Amino acid sequence: NAGVTQTPKFQVLKTGQSMTLQCAQDMNHNSMYWYRQDPGMGLRLIYYSASEGTTDKGEVPNGYNVSRLNKREFSLRLESAAPSQTSVYFCASSARDRSVGGYTFGSGTRLTVV
Amino acid sequence: QKEVEQDPGPLSVPEGAIVSLNCTYSNSAFQYFMWYRQYSRKGPELLMYTYSSGNKEDGRFTAQVDKSSKYISLFIRDSQPSDSATYLCAMSEGSSASKIIFGSGTRLSIRP
Repeated sequence: NAGVTQTPKFQVLKTGQSMTLQCAQDMNHNSMYWYRQDPGMGLRLIYYSASEGTTDKGEVPNGYNVSRLNKREFSLRLESAAPSQTSVYFCASSARDRSVGGYTFGSGTRLTVV
Repeated sequence: QKEVEQDPGPLSVPEGAIVSLNCTYSNSAFQYFMWYRQYSRKGPELLMYTYSSGNKEDGRFTAQVDKSSKYISLFIRDSQPSDSATYLCAMSEGSSASKIIFGSGTRLSIRP
């Protein structure tokens, strides 16, 4: 069972470059999320999509955009990368919006901006 | 002050020991409390979740919530080297509009 698949696993960008992080889930979940994880900061929500066709800002949305391409896929785009966006990015999904009992996380994308 | 505080560790204990991991929080509206386990270079996975106060047991793991003290704990009995991971607490008010707030995680190492 694949669960939540994120690509790429690692990426190095130069300041000002753009890139898109891809996420796909095969569990027929309605809701999907993008988090970033930084040392000492815990997981912080960037954007989420409660259902196909909707997206909303989370706690730290500045510098990011998202697209819910279909029920399976939710991408995160950095238009002009900055060193402050160096982080580990996790995509997650749940059967319903902010289900306290069941988030499934991907393995993460480790992004370094130099 | 963060809404959820968690000691980052690292915590190192011998195999077979009882481990106690803790979080404190400031929002008295939190009703759902979760523990996630995260192995190195992997995503977090849900270990346990509880509603309101009390204890919940699942095998070697026990989650405890004390809402009066705004304090939650995860106990691991007969700890194994495979329990070595980072443990994140998380909590939510539980309404459809509420966020899940994660602690920063405690890194645990079980020595064989």
